[in-house]
Amino acid sequence: GIQVEQSPPDLILQEGANSTLRCNFSDSVNNLQWFHQNPWGQLINLFYIPSGTKQNGRLSATTVATERYSLLYISSSQTTDSGVYFCAVLYGNKLVFGAGTILRVKS
Amino acid sequence: SAVISQKPSRDICQRGTSLTIQCQVDSQVTMMFWYRQQPGQSLTLIATANQGSEATYESGFVIDKFPISRPNLTFSTLTVSNMSPEDSSIYLCSARQTNTEAFFGQGTRLTVV
Repeated sequence: GIQVEQSPPDLILQEGANSTLRCNFSDSVNNLQWFHQNPWGQLINLFYIPSGTKQNGRLSATTVATERYSLLYISSSQTTDSGVYFCAVLYGNKLVFGAGTILRVKS
Repeated sequence: SAVISQKPSRDICQRGTSLTIQCQVDSQVTMMFWYRQQPGQSLTLIATANQGSEATYESGFVIDKFPISRPNLTFSTLTVSNMSPEDSSIYLCSARQTNTEAFFGQGTRLTVV
């Protein structure tokens, strides 16, 4: 099956700092999504991005499908950005998740 | 986008009992799925809920332990049977149209004592 690797596994930021999260995948995929899981466990859709670049406020994402990776950029981080960020790829009909990046933003 | 409602949102259950989790989508969807998230772990697909037929289970998950129903295009249930403390997890319902963005319910946080 496909392997989805996220890095770094943990990240601690001071409020206002920028960060880049990476997602590598081992095979061609139909599409890719980024999620934020808040402390209450809810998964929030950030980006649906099979290729190219998208921006939403302080967050942006880039997927280079031919090179099998995606990046999530968080600028001017806030404490409310804390949580777990998951990358998930659609492989066949199944959404396969990476292990996640745990982000802690300190005030 | 799809709005997905799950209930219960959390429960504490005695070992040996069963719990049924409901998932309601606000519009007809092609595909519905059930995931498990064990403490500190990522999401693992349990099964694809097929409308009007038996669910398709992933390796390591069996129908006797996790029976699933999907009577129509907007509703599905997952039962966690004969529970043990190892079943303590967050269970999440997901829905999407074919090859489109997936959405998730708020999850059911299950603790088995």
